[in-house]
Amino acid sequence: AQSVTQLDSHVSVSEGTPVLLRCNYSSSYSPSLFWYVQHPNKGLQLLLKYTSAATLVKGINGFEAEFKKSETSFHLTKPSAHMSDAAEYFCVVSGSGAGSYQLTFGKGTKLSVIP
Amino acid sequence: DTEVTQTPKHLVMGMTNKKSLKCEQHMGHRAMYWYKQKAKKPPELMFVYSYEKLSINESVPSRFSPECPNSSLLNLHLHALQPEDSALYLCASSPQRGTVSEKLFFGSGTQLSVL
Repeated sequence: AQSVTQLDSHVSVSEGTPVLLRCNYSSSYSPSLFWYVQHPNKGLQLLLKYTSAATLVKGINGFEAEFKKSETSFHLTKPSAHMSDAAEYFCVVSGSGAGSYQLTFGKGTKLSVIP
Repeated sequence: DTEVTQTPKHLVMGMTNKKSLKCEQHMGHRAMYWYKQKAKKPPELMFVYSYEKLSINESVPSRFSPECPNSSLLNLHLHALQPEDSALYLCASSPQRGTVSEKLFFGSGTQLSVL
């Protein structure tokens, strides 16, 4: 069984300040972890993924995430927020082997960016 | 071409209507998915097709009928829907099912309203 907990339902930052979106996971397997972003009335776009290679993962648009097994965390960060970053962010865990189609989504974190 | 195209973008239908949602990808992906997303919620998996065969049906009511006529197309036929079926319906594809590091490519979705 696997689960994902996004610790904040809403995060608000000022433009130009750092972004931190928190995610904790639980998985019986060595997980694959993803962050997806969804802009209003749009589909989901992959920001980055972790698949047991480097623990610090760099994604698109300046985002990165660090896999910490001891803390079962996969927090998403960005040094400087931009207005276009305002969106819903989902942390996702994938199973392994035959169950890997089974993606478990967190409930989402809405990021607001204040001018 | 790295897109998943969904049509229509918006659909309003009555409870006695029959309509279909269409999804198309030309990335050579052999796994295709339907997700349902209610407002302010994460996507919920409905169906998975692998190599044009239905491999997963997440206990979806029979008023939703998926079809995969070929490796590039995925349809969702709708009949006798209920108002609670109003949601954003997302199509996704991935290179294959059963890969630990698989990445989903999402379409922009069809916003469905059932009156």
